Amino acid sequence: GENVEQHPSTLSVQEGDSAVIKCTYSDSASNYFPWYKQELGKGPQLIIDIRSNVGEKKDQRIAVTLNKTAKHFSLHITETQPEDSAVYFCAASRDDYKLSFGAGTTVTVRA
Amino acid sequence: KAGVTQTPRYLIKTRGQQVTLSCSPISGHRSVSWYQQTPGQGLQFLFEYFSETQRNKGNFPGRFSGRQFSNSRSEMNVSTLELGDSALYLCASSPGTSGTDTQYFGPGTRLTVL
Repeated sequence: GENVEQHPSTLSVQEGDSAVIKCTYSDSASNYFPWYKQELGKGPQLIIDIRSNVGEKKDQRIAVTLNKTAKHFSLHITETQPEDSAVYFCAASRDDYKLSFGAGTTVTVRA
Repeated sequence: KAGVTQTPRYLIKTRGQQVTLSCSPISGHRSVSWYQQTPGQGLQFLFEYFSETQRNKGNFPGRFSGRQFSNSRSEMNVSTLELGDSALYLCASSPGTSGTDTQYFGPGTRLTVL
């Protein structure tokens, strides 16, 4: 089955700096890559996603890049704010209604 | 539009008991997926239902089962509870027309097995 690895497991950044989280996947048939943010006591919330026919997607301060050849994708958060502090999960899917998740990255934004 | 709702939010059971969790998807969504979240194993896919049919399932023992009703609401059941079943159980809904539809998660049910 699909195996998604996510790095780093923890990330501490100064407010205003950028944060980058990287994921690799094993199944070359995967074609959908969402990113979720989970705050304490809540379910994961989709923040951005990308499909395999696109190399990069941006939504305000958040961007995702995908390299299908290398089987990796990354989340970029610019101008970080305290409210960006949360656990972030990457996931991959091969069009089978099943998401395979990375282990998560705990992001702390220092004021 | 209301989001995904899950009931109950918290549950405490003892080993050997069984438990039923409920999920109501976003209005108009016909697919419901269930995930288990634990500190050790992370987020793991349990199963997915569409139009009352299970389309995909993960690698969990038969003690974990689910069903979906004609109004798209779904339940999952865990029988003969074990300590290791303590977890946050998350439900996600999507339109269900594509395997890569965006999945929207509910707040989860926190199950503690004593």
